[in-house]
Amino acid sequence: SQKIEQNSEALNIQEGKTATLTCNYTNYSPAYLQWYRQDPGRGPVFLLLIRENEKEKRKERLKVTFDTTLKQSLFHITASQPADSATYLCALPPDYGQNFVFGPGTRLSVLP
Amino acid sequence: KAGVTQTPRYLIKTRGQQVTLSCSPISGHRSVSWYQQTPGQGLQFLFEYFSETQRNKGNFPGRFSGRQFSNSRSEMNVSTLELGDSALYLCASSLEGGSNSPLHFGNGTRLTVT
Repeated sequence: SQKIEQNSEALNIQEGKTATLTCNYTNYSPAYLQWYRQDPGRGPVFLLLIRENEKEKRKERLKVTFDTTLKQSLFHITASQPADSATYLCALPPDYGQNFVFGPGTRLSVLP
Repeated sequence: KAGVTQTPRYLIKTRGQQVTLSCSPISGHRSVSWYQQTPGQGLQFLFEYFSETQRNKGNFPGRFSGRQFSNSRSEMNVSTLELGDSALYLCASSLEGGSNSPLHFGNGTRLTVT
């Protein structure tokens, strides 16, 4: 069955630096991958989708890469701000008989 | 457009009781999925409904059930509650589901079983 791992449970960085979060998956070859942001007490919010034929996708200060050979996606936040502090989740699309599979998430704290 | 609305926001129940949670999807969205989120297990898929039919189901016991109405609103029911059912229950809607369209989540119902 699909398995998703995210590099660390928590990540602390200084304001202004680039945060890099990792999502690794096994036993699957997804056609695309999604990233979500979740704030405490709220539901996840969709951020970006990247397809297997796209090496990189950008949205404002966010950048996502997708390496189907390494079975890995990297999520970057440049010029990070304290407001970027949240849990970030990667998600794989539905496999047969299942729905979106989410990684465990990485809790990012941007320190002023 | 209004977002996904879940009611109630908080619920406290006793072991053995049953509970019904409600979800109103974004207008025009036909797919509604339910997820359970706990600190230990993360987001776990419960089931998905599309046009009033259950289309996919996760690995949860039969005590967890759901339904979808003709207006796409959905309810999930948990019977014979156990302590381990304490969790944040999230509903998500999407246009068609099962595709590359993103999920739009509500803010969840926090269920505490005592």
